Amino acid sequence: SYELTQPPSVSVSPGQTASITCSGDKLGDIYASWYQQKPGQSPVLVIYQDTKRPSGIPERFSGSNSGNTATLTISGTQAMDEADYYCQAWDSSTAVFGGGTKLTVL
Amino acid sequence: EVQLVESGGGLVQPGRSLRLSCAASVFTFDDYAMHWVRQVPGKGLEWVSGISWDSGSIGYADSVKGRFTISRDNAKNSLYLQMNTLRAEDTALYYCAKDRTMIQGVSAGGMDVWGQGTTVTVS
Repeated sequence: SYELTQPPSVSVSPGQTASITCSGDKLGDIYASWYQQKPGQSPVLVIYQDTKRPSGIPERFSGSNSGNTATLTISGTQAMDEADYYCQAWDSSTAVFGGGTKLTVL
Repeated sequence: EVQLVESGGGLVQPGRSLRLSCAASVFTFDDYAMHWVRQVPGKGLEWVSGISWDSGSIGYADSVKGRFTISRDNAKNSLYLQMNTLRAEDTALYYCAKDRTMIQGVSAGGMDVWGQGTTVTVS
């Protein structure tokens, strides 16, 4: 079965750029989505089709996908961005989520 | 505001059944695919099942295939998950989620609206 691998944790200082990676076999050949989940809350879609932001998602969130790696980038990271982030892709009509990355802003 | 409200969770013994429901409001329900996603507290997200706008395309995770059945009633703006032969490992918070597209399983999709979830405990 298809697997997506994320680092368990990433740390960033306020105002700096955070990058969260998601690796999967030939991931660049399919679209990736990214979700943000804060403690006690439901997930929120922040990036879809590799690079697109849903309405209401700040411009500091951006995405890329090439080769075997998709990347979520948060520019000018704010304290409110501290959360768990999950990548997701489709394989044979089955959705696959990465294991999640805890972003700490310190 | 676009809203999804799940119900039907609870405590159930192993081997028994449970039916989850998800009521949708403030969007054209039959224009979109829908999904069930679960999460064990403190753990990651796991996609359970998805269904296209017209029920023509349905998918299941291997972990639930043959035991769970997804369905929808567009006239009632509702999504369902029939869960049979429940196991302890099915214990989780179950979310209902709306897809951006009509067809489940397409790469261009993404789950852009989520409910608050309903808790299923198998013990």
